[in-house]
Amino acid sequence: AQSVTQLGSHVSVSEGALVLLRCNYSSSVPPYLFWYVQYPNQGLQLLLKYTSAATLVKGINGFEAEFKKSETSFHLTKPSAHMSDAAEYFCAVSDVTNAGKSTFGDGTTLTVKP
Amino acid sequence: DAGVIQSPRHEVTEMGQEVTLRCKPISGHNSLFWYRQTMMRGLELLIYFNNNVPIDDSGMPEDRFSAKMPNASFSTLKIQPSEPRDSAVYFCASSSQTSGRGNEQFFGPGTRLTVL
Repeated sequence: AQSVTQLGSHVSVSEGALVLLRCNYSSSVPPYLFWYVQYPNQGLQLLLKYTSAATLVKGINGFEAEFKKSETSFHLTKPSAHMSDAAEYFCAVSDVTNAGKSTFGDGTTLTVKP
Repeated sequence: DAGVIQSPRHEVTEMGQEVTLRCKPISGHNSLFWYRQTMMRGLELLIYFNNNVPIDDSGMPEDRFSAKMPNASFSTLKIQPSEPRDSAVYFCASSSQTSGRGNEQFFGPGTRLTVL
């Protein structure tokens, strides 16, 4: 069984500050890990993914995430927040054995203050 | 590619009516997922198909909900009869199982359902 825990349902940062969204996962097999972003009134879209290649993954809009197996973590970061980053972010875990099914976290709403 | 297409984008209906939501996955994708999203319950997986075959429908809330995938390019989610508590945004997503590629899901824009 797989699970994802996103620490903090709401995160607020000032524009220009570091963004850190936390994700811990549980998986009995080597995982695929994803971060998705959802802007208001839209579907989820992929930010970045880890597929057992480089442990530091770079995504769109300046986001990156680091896979740490020893900590079972896949935290999302961005050095400098922009107002347009305000959205809901979902961490998800999958693997090769389940027809592409992903288990999603509960989501973290990011607010960016001017 | 046009991405995942869902119709209608908005649906307002009265309690007791039948509602049918439609989804066209990305061409070549072999897995399709139906989700429901509400403020109270967040994002819930209702059912998913692989190669047009339902794999897991344990998330379907009750017998009023049914889903079909008659071919690789079309799926429906039906609610009969609808109830106010079914009001939510329903998303369809598709993915392609390619070994080592990570099988990320591509989401449609959603159908916002309101049951009065």
